[in-house]
This record gives sequence, structure tokens and C-alpha cells, in this order.
Amino acid sequence: SQELEQSPQSLIVQEGKNLTINCTSSKTLYGLYWYKQKYGEGLIFLMMLQKGGEEKSHEKITAKLDEKKQQSSLHITASQPSHAGIYLCGADGLAGNEKLTFGTGTRLTIIP
Amino acid sequence: DVKVTQSSRYLVKRTGEKVFLECVQDMDHENMFWYRQDPGLGLRLIYFSYDVKMKEKGDIPEGYSVSREKKERFSLILESASTNQTSMYLCASSRSFGNTIYFGEGSWLTVV
Repeated sequence: SQELEQSPQSLIVQEGKNLTINCTSSKTLYGLYWYKQKYGEGLIFLMMLQKGGEEKSHEKITAKLDEKKQQSSLHITASQPSHAGIYLCGADGLAGNEKLTFGTGTRLTIIP
Repeated sequence: DVKVTQSSRYLVKRTGEKVFLECVQDMDHENMFWYRQDPGLGLRLIYFSYDVKMKEKGDIPEGYSVSREKKERFSLILESASTNQTSMYLCASSRSFGNTIYFGEGSWLTVV
């Protein structure tokens, strides 16, 4: 079973609309990372969250970690074509060690 | 900026060949990682290294070995390539555990 569940698996959004991607674990998340990946390329680091209730923003992307540190959301405001790609969440410590475990990703498509 | 460089973006190898994938980071990071990424399976950790000449198995080490003779360089070796090793391979590094992991651009390996 997946230790990190991402939802939805894919998302098609009209340009200019807002959207949210979720990342959920049954275990406490000690460090939660969000990455973006263009098809066929490497992962680009977006944000890291460590404290319950923490929220970080970069340009039009906001990531939050809930108080229980078991769920994170990534919210994009007024989406643009440049936001298209695969978004992955990763977390420390889920495997009982310090390795980073990843969700299976959310594929975001922006339509004009 | 952190730079993780993978030497080959695209490779085509024959079954049974020995394959070397090279990765170099320029930020004096302690930790280096090799992942493979497959549709529907997400990112899976093959091996990681937390120091020169030190290595630990990840989730799917079978069929792979690694070498870290210098701090900045981490090599993934497929002793005898097989078709089920056709995949996207991603190298990553971090200053230490609990710090952000930075990824290279990825190497697409096709084994025929």
C-alpha cells in the first residue's frame, strides 16, 4: 500500500482557475516536500514544510501542512499554462528511516 | 544554485551490457541518491550514499550497484542490463538528512 496518497491522480483545469492537490499519510510527516516535474525531466523543488499548521507561498503556489502533520495541500491560484506538469509530494521518515518516500504524483493539465 | 548533473540524458543499451550512469553535484552535499521512475509506480529508491565509499540499499537494489569514490560523484551501475530496467533514472543530493533533496534532469535508459 502507498504510504503517501496523492489526489487527484490527474487534473484538467481551465486557465485562470484555482486548483488544489492533496497529499495524505496515515503516519506523522516529519518533513513534507513538494516538487514539480515537467514530462521527461527532473524534479524541481517547490517547498518544504515541517511544522504543523505551516503554510508557505511562492508566487501563485501555496502549500500547507495540517496541524496533525498527516496531510498537505498544494493550492494554485489563477492557474497558467506554465503550471502544467506533474506534482509530487515527498516525506521523510515514513519508511522508519530517513529516506524520502514519494507519492505517485498528480498530472496537471491547463487548458486555454 | 544547487547543480546536480547527470552525464547522459538518453541511452539505448543491449540486454546483457554493463551500463554506467554518472551523477555529479557541485554543492559539497553529504547524501546522494539514485531513484528510478516508472508510470504508475512513482519514484523508487535504488541506492543512497551518506558519505564517500558508504552506500545503503534502497527499496529496489536488485540488479544494481553503486560507487562513490569521491564526494561529488555517485555512479549507478547495471552489471548486466535487462529489459525490465528500461526506465527514467534520477539522481539527487542533499546536504544531510532532513534537508532539501535536489534532483538532476534524469536519464532515460532503454534496454533492447
